[in-house]
Amino acid sequence: ILNVEQSPQSLHVQEGDSTNFTCSFPSSNFYALHWYRWETAKSPEALFVMTLNGDEKKKGRISATLNTKEGYSYLYIKGSQPEDSATYLCAFKAGTALIFGKGTTLSVSS
Amino acid sequence: EAQVTQNPRYLITVTGKKLTVTCSQNMNHEYMSWYRQDPGLGLRQIYYSMNVEVTDKGDVPEGYKVSRKEKRNFPLILESPSPNQTSLYFCASSQGARTGELFFGEGSRLTVL
Repeated sequence: ILNVEQSPQSLHVQEGDSTNFTCSFPSSNFYALHWYRWETAKSPEALFVMTLNGDEKKKGRISATLNTKEGYSYLYIKGSQPEDSATYLCAFKAGTALIFGKGTTLSVSS
Repeated sequence: EAQVTQNPRYLITVTGKKLTVTCSQNMNHEYMSWYRQDPGLGLRQIYYSMNVEVTDKGDVPEGYKVSRKEKRNFPLILESPSPNQTSLYFCASSQGARTGELFFGEGSRLTVL
């Protein structure tokens, strides 16, 4: 059974803090690693899809790195803002299945 | 506007009464999938479809059926709903099955009494 682990489960930071989350996944049979942001009462939206070991992606203040050999990805948020409050999901693509982690819920206080 | 549309958004029904949740996408995506979201469990895949007339089971297919007769539509059918199917359901689509990002519908909250 493929398992995707995300840590921490939740965290609370102050506006302006930088933070990062971890996604761990099986290192075999890798196709892609997805990151999604899921705001309350909305549907998940894609942040990044990464396919190559060593990939680094950036969108504004949010960036992600990928290590397929050791099976982890980091998501970084620089200078957190209240609008960054959301659950961040990672998903591991192996074959045709996309396996989601349970997410990291970020709360940013102003 | 590119979107995935699900209906109904909210539904309360009773055990055993057949229901269908529709899903339609206007992006000409080949890949479509259904997920359910339950507290503490994350998104779990129910069924997926690589293309028209091609469907396959995900992690939790029991009690569900799907069909893919047209590229844009991927309905989820609950033939005889039970209370353990009370959940938040998402339909999603992507251009490619392997690396394409998923576009999600707005979700359908289903309660089975």
